[in-house]
Amino acid sequence: NSKVIQTPRYLVKGQGQKAKMRCIPEKGHPVVFWYQQNKNNEFKFLINFQNQEVLQQIDMTEKRFSAECPSNSPCSLEIQSSEAGDSALYLCASSLSRTGGPQDTQYFGPGTRLLVL
Amino acid sequence: QQKVQQSPESLTVSEGAMASLNCTFSDGTSDNFRWYRQHSGKGLEVLVSIFSDGEKEEGRFTAHLNRASLHVSLHIREPQPSDSAVYLCAMRGSNYQLIWGSGTKLIIKP
Repeated sequence: NSKVIQTPRYLVKGQGQKAKMRCIPEKGHPVVFWYQQNKNNEFKFLINFQNQEVLQQIDMTEKRFSAECPSNSPCSLEIQSSEAGDSALYLCASSLSRTGGPQDTQYFGPGTRLLVL
Repeated sequence: QQKVQQSPESLTVSEGAMASLNCTFSDGTSDNFRWYRQHSGKGLEVLVSIFSDGEKEEGRFTAHLNRASLHVSLHIREPQPSDSAVYLCAMRGSNYQLIWGSGTKLIIKP
């Protein structure tokens, strides 16, 4: 079972407000991913980290989304100015590596469900 | 752009009967496939990982991979009502993130 912790479980914001969610990866997992899952089960990769370094991020993330994984603190994903279309389940996953094989299995947290009114 | 298509969209199976789910992927470059499931309101639980052609069993869950046919399947033996969930296949893409199927809503009838 996954030991990835995500908080808060639910987040309600008005349009234009900041929305911040946190993730504690499994102990010993240096690789962290953020995904957005909409109500149609469509997943969108947002960003991933190895330790504190950003590996990849999509264009959407570069504009209104910011994320970090500081040393000895939870990772976070923040939407600077929320829009209605940002309403979704935000999933954090962690893995031991990204080089292939069993060690790059991504283990997921329960997600933060964001509702932008 | 790498893509994964999943079928069926929904599936109802009686308790104890075999449940079979399918995914086809757009190219054969990945060697890294997983099946996850998501109970309503919960996160994702990894069920089976498969990295080479053939079969991989994890308890009641068996994945079959045929990269030449661009196909991966999941078979659930003796499903129970508690197995009712959305099942998702995922392929590791060229940029290490997972590329997801659209999900199969599985309902197991008692």
